[in-house]
Amino acid sequence: NAGVTQTPKFQVLKTGQSMTLQCAQDMNHEYMSWYRQDPGMGLRLIHYSVGAGITDQGEVPNGYNVSRSTTEDFPLRLLSAAPSQTSVYFCASSYRWLAGVGAYNEQFFGPGTRLTVL
Amino acid sequence: AQKITQTQPGMFVQEKEAVTLDCTYDTSDPSYGLFWYKQPSSGEMIFLIYQGSYDQQNATEGRYSLNFQKARKSANLVISASQLGDSAMYFCAMRPNTGNQFYFGTGTSLTVIP
Repeated sequence: NAGVTQTPKFQVLKTGQSMTLQCAQDMNHEYMSWYRQDPGMGLRLIHYSVGAGITDQGEVPNGYNVSRSTTEDFPLRLLSAAPSQTSVYFCASSYRWLAGVGAYNEQFFGPGTRLTVL
Repeated sequence: AQKITQTQPGMFVQEKEAVTLDCTYDTSDPSYGLFWYKQPSSGEMIFLIYQGSYDQQNATEGRYSLNFQKARKSANLVISASQLGDSAMYFCAMRPNTGNQFYFGTGTSLTVIP
């Protein structure tokens, strides 16, 4: 049981380049999400998905695309990288919210990807 | 609107002492969950403790306890007998029943002093 995996761990891009951050989970979680973490700003939601074929925007979606063709995978695409996208990116997954079942609602995080855009 | 507020950017505590990290939240959803995560300098996010909005008792997990005051919309994390390994960033998060999303605070940096 690998949990949530992310690749790559580190990436340096030039302005204007595109790339895909990979995320996979093996816990059969319906809910998956992408966050970016910047100093002093906590974790901000980029995009999320509640199941295969269903995605939606979070707080900071501009410049990013996602798709969810399978339950396991949720890649994040940077269309044309900008220095403002320099950040640490986390993928996370959980079951759909179920009231009254305690920490079953916990969100599991991947190890993160540190992206630098020059 | 859903919002999580952590007003303490940085905290210091003496080793073996207890410390309280503050968290307030705002939601109109009657059913929600509250979470605390720890992020050490290595960067991974570690789940610490969960409190459900309908739970009658405050959650506890080892040295961690959650001081849940529903009327005040606060969910403070209490760490007892602090250890050097507790030095980390701590994030409060809320998951309302509607929407499935998690909302995070900006975090509190805790430093344990020997």
